[in-house]
Amino acid sequence: GNSVTQMEGPVTLSEEAFLTINCTYTATGYPSLFWYVQYPGEGLQLLLKATKADDKGSNKGFEATYRKETTSFHLEKGSVQVSDSAVYFCASTQGGSEKLVFGKGTKLTVNP
Amino acid sequence: EAGVAQSPRYKIIEKRQSVAFWCNPISGHATLYWYQQILGQGPKLLIQFQNNGVVDDSQLPKDRFSAERLKGVDSTLKIQPAKLEDSAVYLCASSLRSAGGRETQYFGPGTRLLVL
Repeated sequence: GNSVTQMEGPVTLSEEAFLTINCTYTATGYPSLFWYVQYPGEGLQLLLKATKADDKGSNKGFEATYRKETTSFHLEKGSVQVSDSAVYFCASTQGGSEKLVFGKGTKLTVNP
Repeated sequence: EAGVAQSPRYKIIEKRQSVAFWCNPISGHATLYWYQQILGQGPKLLIQFQNNGVVDDSQLPKDRFSAERLKGVDSTLKIQPAKLEDSAVYLCASSLRSAGGRETQYFGPGTRLLVL
């Protein structure tokens, strides 16, 4: 089966800093890739997704590009806000199926 | 549009007791998933339904866990008997249909289970 490896946290940044959370995957075929965000006490919310190579997903100032050559889907944001403090999960489907495999999550704390 | 609903939000039980969780997916969503999220880890798929049929239950510990989706809408997940290691957040998710992995899964708030 496939697996997802993401940057271990926690990550602590100051407001307006640049954010990168690395994510790499191993999979057969052409998986779809997702970033989900989990705010304290809440369920997972889809942040962005990409379904084929070179696609760029974007939402709320966050971006990630599906890089097949490096099997990566790194999450970036140019200027983080305190409200971005949450746990971020990278996920991949197993080729052709709906089954999502998640990374362990990266906790982000943004200080004013 | 209402999201995925789950109840209860929290449950504390003693080991060897039974517990059941309920999920109501987004209206019209044919595919329903149950995930287990242990503290500090990402969610792990337990079971996937397409309408009222099971698509994947390969990671469901069938000796103690069971799930059903009798009318293809609501679903229940049961643990009987519970063990300490079952302490986790149980997440329900739904998607419109199965589409080769391209459909977005929408998650409920989860049920936090503590087994003492």
